[in-house]
Amino acid sequence: DTAVSQTPKYLVTQMGNDKSIKCEQNLGHDTMYWYKQDSKKFLKIMFSYNNKELIINETVPNRFSPKSPDKAHLNLHINSLELGDSAVYFCASSRQTGRNEKLFFGSGTQLSVL
Amino acid sequence: GDSVTQMEGPVTLSEEAFLTINCTYTATGYPSLFWYVQYPGEGLQLLLKATKADDKGSNKGFEATYRKETTSFHLEKGSVQVSDSAVYFCALSKTSYDKVIFGPGTSLSVIP
Repeated sequence: DTAVSQTPKYLVTQMGNDKSIKCEQNLGHDTMYWYKQDSKKFLKIMFSYNNKELIINETVPNRFSPKSPDKAHLNLHINSLELGDSAVYFCASSRQTGRNEKLFFGSGTQLSVL
Repeated sequence: GDSVTQMEGPVTLSEEAFLTINCTYTATGYPSLFWYVQYPGEGLQLLLKATKADDKGSNKGFEATYRKETTSFHLEKGSVQVSDSAVYFCALSKTSYDKVIFGPGTSLSVIP
C-alpha cells in the first residue's frame, strides 16, 4: 500500500487552464504539506495543514488554492496556469507538527505548462 | 532568515569510494537536522536525523554528526555503491515554524 499517493503523476496543459492535483495519505497523520520542486531540484514549501486547518501559507500566489476535506486528503487547485508554474509538486505528510517529525513524501506530480 | 547550504553538485564517484557531502546551516535556537534522499522519479525519503548538538544520525552506512560549533551536518559514507546514486538534501526544522527548510540538494552519481 502506498503511504502517500498523489494523482496525476504527469500533467501537461496549456497556459490559462485550471487544474487540480489530489493527495491522499493512509498513515493516519495529522499534518499534510505541498512542496514545489523547480528544475534545479530546489524544494520550497507552499502550504501546510494540520487536522484540516491551514497553518502555513508561504507567499504563494492566490491562484493556488489548497483544500483539505479531511485530514487524510489535501488537494491543490491551480487557476490560470502560467509557464512559471511548471515544476514537480510533492505532497507530504507527518504524524504531527513539530521539529523532530519525519516527512513522508508522495512520488510527485510533474506539471508542464505549455 | 534560517537557511541550509550544501556543496554544489553534481558529485561523481567510483564505486567503493568515500563520500562526503557538506552541509551548513544558519538558524537561531536549536533546530533538528535531517538528511533526505531522492532517488530518480521518486519522492524524498528520510535518510537520517539528529535532534541536538553532538548527536550522530546513521542509516544504511551513512552518518552525519550535528556540530553546533561549526553549524554543520556533513553526510559521510565509507564505501558508496551504484545504488546510492540520488539527490541528497540537507534540511532543518524548528518548533517555532512547523516546517522543514531544505537545502538546494546535491546530486550524486556512482559509477561502476
